[in-house]
Amino acid sequence: DVKVTQSSRYLVKRTGEKVFLECVQDMDHENMFWYRQDPGLGLRLIYFSYDVKMKEKGDIPEGYSVSREKKERFSLILESASTNQTSMYLCASSINSYSSYEQYFGPGTRLTVT
Amino acid sequence: ELKVEQNPLFLSMQEGKNYTIYCNYSTTSDRLYWYRQDPGKSLESLFVLLSNGAVKQEGRLMASLDTKARLSTLHITAAVHDLSATYFCASETSGSRLTFGEGTQLTVNP
Repeated sequence: DVKVTQSSRYLVKRTGEKVFLECVQDMDHENMFWYRQDPGLGLRLIYFSYDVKMKEKGDIPEGYSVSREKKERFSLILESASTNQTSMYLCASSINSYSSYEQYFGPGTRLTVT
Repeated sequence: ELKVEQNPLFLSMQEGKNYTIYCNYSTTSDRLYWYRQDPGKSLESLFVLLSNGAVKQEGRLMASLDTKARLSTLHITAAVHDLSATYFCASETSGSRLTFGEGTQLTVNP
């Protein structure tokens, strides 16, 4: 079974803090994604990566950055957390196969910025 | 603009009844994905529909895909309480990206 893990289930940070959210997958997937999920807004893509050291902006990259130094690990960074970044953050991965781009999701990190 | 729209967004139904969730998408993809999310949990893959006319069934859920109409349906047969969850459809956009619908929150009442 594919396993995607995230470093924290719940996180509380103060405004202005630098926040790191870590995601690790164990299936050698090339593609990794960071989403945020808010009530009424569904899942919105923040950043994604097709390969080590590669990154692409998603639909809402402002206020975020990412790092992918190893294939299995994809980090989301909030340089200076703000209250409007309070949300559920979901990491996902998928294999780079033309036959299917099914994504496998981690358990999520619920971040509260006070 | 690429859109994936689900209908209805909220669905309250009685146990034993049948209902269908609709997913319309504007991409030209031939593939469509369905996910389930329980409250406070992450997304779990339900179905991967890989071509026009594809039909997949798992228990009381059946998903189908009509790429010509750009429509997928998730049919619920004889609903039970355990099916209460939020269901998302997703369409491929560019490369390996998926665009998700807003989600349909299903509540099955005894």
